[in-house]
Amino acid sequence: QKEVEQDPGPLSVPEGAIVSLNCTYSNSAFQYFMWYRQYSRKGPELLMYTYSSGNKEDGRFTAQVDKSSKYISLFIRDSQPSDSATYLCAMTQINNAGNMLTFGGGTRLMVKP
Amino acid sequence: EAQVTQNPRYLITVTGKKLTVTCSQNMNHEYMSWYRQDPGLGLRQIYYSMNVEVTDKGDVPEGYKVSRKEKRNFPLILESPSPNQTSLYFCASSLPGLAGGPLNEQFFGPGTRLTVL
Repeated sequence: QKEVEQDPGPLSVPEGAIVSLNCTYSNSAFQYFMWYRQYSRKGPELLMYTYSSGNKEDGRFTAQVDKSSKYISLFIRDSQPSDSATYLCAMTQINNAGNMLTFGGGTRLMVKP
Repeated sequence: EAQVTQNPRYLITVTGKKLTVTCSQNMNHEYMSWYRQDPGLGLRQIYYSMNVEVTDKGDVPEGYKVSRKEKRNFPLILESPSPNQTSLYFCASSLPGLAGGPLNEQFFGPGTRLTVL
């Protein structure tokens, strides 16, 4: 079993829809939870991250962490065609503050005009 | 412009022919890392380096070598490539992580698509 599981999709939604992307994990030592966005033929870029449990909002994006369930989510409101990309969740422990990342397999999102 | 560069971007080679993929960053980052990305598996770490002359194995190091003689460069070496090393490779760099400290973002290069026949 992989440490971080992520539905590969693809997920296809109409423009303006609310998108929910999710990951589950097994290592309770993970404390930083990240979402990376990867456009086709590009390297991943950090979208946002949270530390421990709770929510974090940044514009149309909201990241949620439920450590009791070992479940994290990324919500995208008012989705745009420019949001079409692969979204990767990543996690790391507190003792290395982000250097040793464990990634999920990525979810491919397509937002149709 | 702050960036991580990789060369070549695309490479087709044959089994057993030694190759090197270069990685360079201009952000004065201590930490550098190599990942491979395969469908459904996400990014898996091959090797990483905490600083010059300090390297260590990641999750999938077999068949790869690295060196870190200068802070800005971190080449990935495949001494005898095999078809199972066909993959998309990414180099990344960041400031060093401190225990209990804030998250330091890893910056990724554009990727190198390698095909081994």
